[in-house]
Amino acid sequence: SQQGEEDPQALSIQEGENATMNCSYKTSINNLQWYRQNSGRGLVHLILIRSNEREKHSGRLRVTLDTSKKSSSLLITASRAADTASYFCATDSNYGQNFVFGPGTRLSVLP
Amino acid sequence: ETGVTQSPTHLIKTRGQQVTLRCSSQSGHNTVSWYQQALGQGPQFIFQYYREEENGRGNFPPRFSGLQFPNYSSELNVNALELDDSALYLCASSLASGILNEQFFGPGTRLTVL
Repeated sequence: SQQGEEDPQALSIQEGENATMNCSYKTSINNLQWYRQNSGRGLVHLILIRSNEREKHSGRLRVTLDTSKKSSSLLITASRAADTASYFCATDSNYGQNFVFGPGTRLSVLP
Repeated sequence: ETGVTQSPTHLIKTRGQQVTLRCSSQSGHNTVSWYQQALGQGPQFIFQYYREEENGRGNFPPRFSGLQFPNYSSELNVNALELDDSALYLCASSLASGILNEQFFGPGTRLTVL
């Protein structure tokens, strides 16, 4: 079963707007990661946030983690057409040897 | 570019056949994980190899098997192909096993089973 679930499933915004995607998970985690995937190609690692961290920034990306609510959010500020992709959150599984991915959010940034 | 390569890029097989997919890990990485990604879904963990030994397996039947070689490259073998095996197969390498290590993904192999 999937550990993480992204919300919304699809998001369409205009260039320059901010995009927020959410991820909820079920069991306790050691860390949570966000990935981007363009058109069914390989996954690109964006940010890793550890369970004792609450917020991390990387360029136009901001990730928050609320372990009490078992949720995380990814904010992309000043979006660009090149940000159009699917975004996945991944959490470590109960077995601790691999990551469990949610179904993803498909983001479309319109020029 | 992550330095992880996969071959072939695309593959078409028929039901019942066998397939072998290959992955070369990033330099210095001794752990390779394989994932299956169906269309419109997130990647699903198949198994992981660490120093040539299987080191964890997801909910996949035994007809999915793998190998890791001394140079840490890896193969994924699927026997008796079924239509539902059609998917993007991703490999990811990392410095070591364990969930604290970032995984670097290859571009994937698109398998179509007819």
